Amino acid sequence: NAGVMQNPRHLVRRRGQEARLRCSPMKGHSHVYWYRQLPEEGLKFMVYLQKENIIDESGMPKERFSAEFPKEGPSILRIQQVVRGDSAAYFCASSQSALGTGELFFGEGSRLTVL
Amino acid sequence: AQSVTQLDSQVPVFEEAPVELRCNYSSSVSVYLFWYVQYPNQGLQLLLKYLSGSTLVKGINGFEAEFNKSQTSFHLRKPSVHISDTAEYFCAVKDTNAGKSTFGDGTTLTVKP
Repeated sequence: NAGVMQNPRHLVRRRGQEARLRCSPMKGHSHVYWYRQLPEEGLKFMVYLQKENIIDESGMPKERFSAEFPKEGPSILRIQQVVRGDSAAYFCASSQSALGTGELFFGEGSRLTVL
Repeated sequence: AQSVTQLDSQVPVFEEAPVELRCNYSSSVSVYLFWYVQYPNQGLQLLLKYLSGSTLVKGINGFEAEFNKSQTSFHLRKPSVHISDTAEYFCAVKDTNAGKSTFGDGTTLTVKP
């Protein structure tokens, strides 16, 4: 399967724990985007990364959230000291370039539940 | 910056009836426009996109959309829906010279028998 791979699909954490969500983009794609979908809401942009660089993090909460996309390996969205309000589906998408047609290819999401 | 407004949060419709899902956007720069579909517990899939040229674009599963620059709209239509079209539909806009896409809040299409 050459699509966008996210894991874990489901993650349960207690308040105060850390959550790490991983995303492997489609083969040949070097641009990764993270979106959050709260229950009954739309997708909200969080961060856009290229290999080893954060291009746009305007949608990331200032505290507890961080993202990286190392030269080797998947992109990781990290949430420290989770709170109940972090419960959501986190979607990763990838694209071949930023200036192309812009079509995004999405993974199936990681659903975080904070108890 | 761009924004997207999907005018209907829920659209119930009977099978084989036509449907229109409305989308308006605002942007100060040139944009590309997209419609994505999300089935329960899945990621989003591209239905269709407008890049340039003909304002009527056709997508998968019999859907089409019309770009109206003067009204800044990109409404999605299907002449006859099926039960299997029940899903969440998202309109999105992307600056032609930047990376991220901005999504609307989604429209839940429910097709009833």
